[in-house]
Amino acid sequence: DQQVKQNSPSLSVQEGRISILNCDYTNSMFDYFLWYKKYPAEGPTFLISISSIKDKNEDGRFTVFLNKSAKHLSLHIVPSQPGDSAVYFCAATPSTASKLTFGTGTRLQVTL
Amino acid sequence: SAVISQKPSRDICQRGTSLTIQCQVDSQVTMMFWYRQQPGQSLTLIATANQGSEATYESGFVIDKFPISRPNLTFSTLTVSNMSPEDSSIYLCSVDSYTFGSGTRLTVV
Repeated sequence: DQQVKQNSPSLSVQEGRISILNCDYTNSMFDYFLWYKKYPAEGPTFLISISSIKDKNEDGRFTVFLNKSAKHLSLHIVPSQPGDSAVYFCAATPSTASKLTFGTGTRLQVTL
Repeated sequence: SAVISQKPSRDICQRGTSLTIQCQVDSQVTMMFWYRQQPGQSLTLIATANQGSEATYESGFVIDKFPISRPNLTFSTLTVSNMSPEDSSIYLCSVDSYTFGSGTRLTVV
């Protein structure tokens, strides 16, 4: 039972354009959501998070949107840069002190 | 935030053997977490390790297969025992939702 799903295994975007990565969840108890970037041979790097009391959180080029009614969140990267090429994971948890449930990841390639 | 040193970074092991993965944290932390990422899959929590008590294992993971030690507040080990090719994965430790080790890529042949 995959409670957190990233239905696009890969995405290719031109440099300077917007990258939109999507994530869906099924568990209504999830209250806090996180996005990570992962390069090969490295651990996940935390990017940005959002609590269910918000519908948007922004940090520099990264913005996360949360649609609770649709159980959907998305990560927007604007403008996309070649260094953004990595695998992106979303994760969800009932609270910041609880265990994380991860999606399967989306491989983003930013082309010149 | 804490910095985690995880080793080995990768290993190729014979089936039936065991491998111990180490994580050293540069500050004292109450809980440490061990994850597995099988090829093409998401990260899955194996267990949570508190210093001074038995680790708490998630459904589908057992202590005999994945014994964990937590001798102090800065160090933990995960052993993958009696390995089979199905154990080929990336194993990661973390100290919270934000900080992960660099991972151990294990290949069992």
